[in-house]
Amino acid sequence: SYELTQPPSVSVSPGQTARITCSGDALPKQYAHWYQQKPGQAPVLVIYKDTKRPSGIPERFSGSNSGATATLTLSGVQAEDEADYFCQSADSSGTSVFGGGTKLTVL
Amino acid sequence: EVQLVQSGAEVKKPGESLKISCKGSGYSFSTYWIGWVRQMPGKGLEWMGIIYSGDSDTRYSPSFQGQVTISADKSISTAYLQWGSLKASDTAMYYCARLNSGSSSGMDVWGQGTTVTVSS
Repeated sequence: SYELTQPPSVSVSPGQTARITCSGDALPKQYAHWYQQKPGQAPVLVIYKDTKRPSGIPERFSGSNSGATATLTLSGVQAEDEADYFCQSADSSGTSVFGGGTKLTVL
Repeated sequence: EVQLVQSGAEVKKPGESLKISCKGSGYSFSTYWIGWVRQMPGKGLEWMGIIYSGDSDTRYSPSFQGQVTISADKSISTAYLQWGSLKASDTAMYYCARLNSGSSSGMDVWGQGTTVTVSS
């Protein structure tokens, strides 16, 4: 079955830039979407279609997709950005999967 | 306001059946896909499947095909997730979410989640 691979954890100091990657064979042909989830809360869409930011999401969140790797970038990380982040994308069959998730720690 | 409201927490015994719901409001329910997502305790998100209530087109993850049934009633803007025979391993939080454009798109509106506990 199709898999998306994320690093289990990323750590960054406040004000620095955090990059979370998501690797998958179908990513050159499929969009990547990204979610933030804080403890006890439902996920929130932060990036869709590789680079688009939903209304209400801060500009410090950005995305890219090149080759077989999609990347979520958080510029000027704040303490409130500490959360789990999940990528999502479709495979050739038309169904989707989530990556395993990355825990972002703000030092 | 666009929102999805899910049914309340459930506690069931192994072998019992269950149907949980997700009611949409504030938008044209039948023109968007609705998806279901599982999150087992302390674990990540799992994409289970989606339904387009406009024509009942339904797609399942291979991991969940045959294990659950996704359905919808567009007349009352409600999607459902059901089990015929629950197992302890079905214990999880289940979220419904709206896909923002097309069957492969991101999920922009989420329900509050329904906790399902299966225990003897």
